Amino acid sequence: DIQLTQSPSSLSASVGDRVTITCRANQSISSSLNWYQVKPGKAPKLLIYVSSSLQSGVPSRFSGHGSGTDFTLTINSLQPEDFATYYCQQSYSPLLFSFGPGTKVDIK
Amino acid sequence: EVQLVESGGGVVRPGGSLRLSCAVSGFIFDDYGMSWVRQVPAKGLEWVSGINWNGDITAYVDSVKGRFTISRDNAKKSVYLEMNSLRAEDTALYHCARGFERFDPWGQGTLVTVSS
Repeated sequence: DIQLTQSPSSLSASVGDRVTITCRANQSISSSLNWYQVKPGKAPKLLIYVSSSLQSGVPSRFSGHGSGTDFTLTINSLQPEDFATYYCQQSYSPLLFSFGPGTKVDIK
Repeated sequence: EVQLVESGGGVVRPGGSLRLSCAVSGFIFDDYGMSWVRQVPAKGLEWVSGINWNGDITAYVDSVKGRFTISRDNAKKSVYLEMNSLRAEDTALYHCARGFERFDPWGQGTLVTVSS
């Protein structure tokens, strides 16, 4: 099975900061990696798909990179509405998809 | 506007059953696979099951295989999750989501609590 790890598990940042979250797979998953934002009481939201494609309607301060086993989600100039938990998800393994454990971004 | 509305959650005893429903609107349902993803506080997201556009292909996480069944009714624009032999570890907020490999958008979820 494909296992995903994320680092850090949590971080504290200030408005305006640049934040980078890493997701690592235990085997190559090509570019089959998606990123989601989860806020309390709200439906999760797709931010980035196939590693680096920005989902329609998502601000351009969000970007994704990577292929193989190592991926990053970067938020440039963190905004108050970006404080949330972020999850990566692999769509490489046929019929057996999985999420990373999440990275919580909170206010410093 | 795309909408997904889940229903059917509740409190059930271990070993019991529930049927979750997800009614959608705002897009051509037949064009998309659909999935169920559960959210456990402090434990994150877990993909549970998915079904392709016509129901020919279904998939499940190992922990629910043989206990859960996903299905869809394209005429009713709905997807279902039949859950049997429920366990305490199935307690979660269950979201339906459009898509089979990536998920967007999601519904708000329906809460399933398995407790004696």
